[in-house]
Amino acid sequence: DTGVSQDPRHKITKRGQNVTFRCDPISEHNRLYWYRQTLGQGPEFLTYFQNEAQLEKSRLLSDRFSAERPKGSFSTLEIQRTEQGDSAMYLCASSLQSGYTFGSGTRLTVV
Amino acid sequence: QQQVKQSPQSLIVQKGGIPIINCAYENTAFDYFPWYQQFPGKGPALLIAIRPDVSEKKEGRFTISFNKSAKQFSLHIMDSQPGDSATYFCAASRTISSGSARQLTFGSGTQLTVLP
Repeated sequence: DTGVSQDPRHKITKRGQNVTFRCDPISEHNRLYWYRQTLGQGPEFLTYFQNEAQLEKSRLLSDRFSAERPKGSFSTLEIQRTEQGDSAMYLCASSLQSGYTFGSGTRLTVV
Repeated sequence: QQQVKQSPQSLIVQKGGIPIINCAYENTAFDYFPWYQQFPGKGPALLIAIRPDVSEKKEGRFTISFNKSAKQFSLHIMDSQPGDSATYFCAASRTISSGSARQLTFGSGTQLTVLP
């Protein structure tokens, strides 16, 4: 499979718990992005990695959110002390030049 | 602040019709304008994109019209089919990180239904 892979596809968690999502980009893509999409809205930019360096962070990314991309390959997005407002689809995308390829996302439900 | 405004929110057409989705932007730093198609449970997939030095681009049944002075652009789907039923997002892109990457700002989406 040469697409962007995200795991898990769905996650239900209780408020206050920590969750971690994983993204495996297309192998030759050095740029990796995380976006968040709430119901009925377009995706919103969260953060960007070039190789292992996190170069951009949106103000949407509160201090409860942390993202890593060790060794410039897969990436993880962790949300600590989840809140109901964190319920959304978390999308990962990768690119080599200007064109993005999105994964199918991780749908998070905080109850 | 919504930087890319998209309309209509939903659209229903008969098979063979030509749905038109409109978008407008404010930020002149945007220099690349893609359209994405999203099916339920899937991530957005790139359909077609245009740069502001071009007024129209056509790929298959999909056409983008771009009006730089009005800061508006639109998607036309010719000979629409039931399989085109999906949510369509316009987006505007600008460079970030000293030009090493691009950030997308999406519209709020249009849910298209093509009736058989």
